[in-house]
Amino acid sequence: DQQVKQNSPSLSVQEGRISILNCDYTNSMFDYFLWYKKYPAEGPTFLISISSIKDKNEDGRFTVFLNKSAKHLSLHIVPSQPGDSAVYFCAASRQSSYKLIFGSGTRLLVRP
Amino acid sequence: GAVVSQHPSWVICKSGTSVKIECRSLDFQATTMFWYRQFPKQSLMLMATSNEGSKATYEQGVEKDKFLINHASLTLSTLTVTSAHPEDSSFYICSARVDGNSPLHFGNGTRLTVT
Repeated sequence: DQQVKQNSPSLSVQEGRISILNCDYTNSMFDYFLWYKKYPAEGPTFLISISSIKDKNEDGRFTVFLNKSAKHLSLHIVPSQPGDSAVYFCAASRQSSYKLIFGSGTRLLVRP
Repeated sequence: GAVVSQHPSWVICKSGTSVKIECRSLDFQATTMFWYRQFPKQSLMLMATSNEGSKATYEQGVEKDKFLINHASLTLSTLTVTSAHPEDSSFYICSARVDGNSPLHFGNGTRLTVT
């Protein structure tokens, strides 16, 4: 049972435009959500997180939106840059637990 | 920021041999570290939680005797893949967090190839 799903395996966006990466979850007990960026042959790098008490968190070009009723979160990158090209994983957990459950990732390509 | 160092970054071994992967927290102490595995084009799957000074907690389906975890100090956890087989070939990544309120920080991973 896949508790965290990223239904789009890939996304291609023009430089300067907005990239929107989506993530859905099924476990209503999750209350902490994160986005990680990963380059090939490297470990994931933390990007941004959001707690379930919020519906939006912004950090520079990155904004995460959380829709608890829909069990959906999204990562917006604007403006997108070629250096943003990577695989993006969303992850979820219960703050009382150490375990992170990851989605399958979305490969973002930002075209110059 | 918090740094997690993993060694080696890649290793090739023969079937039946054992391989040890080290995970160190460089600028913080980690009572708990986590070991993940990623198969090509798949998600990161949690294998086990490594607890300093006590036994590791393994996820369902992960063989304890095959993936030996030792967390002997607050800055070092090791994963030993025993009697490796080609199906163990994967990307192994460790992670740790500074405290309960901080996100997980990951090492750069170890690419294991078993021939």
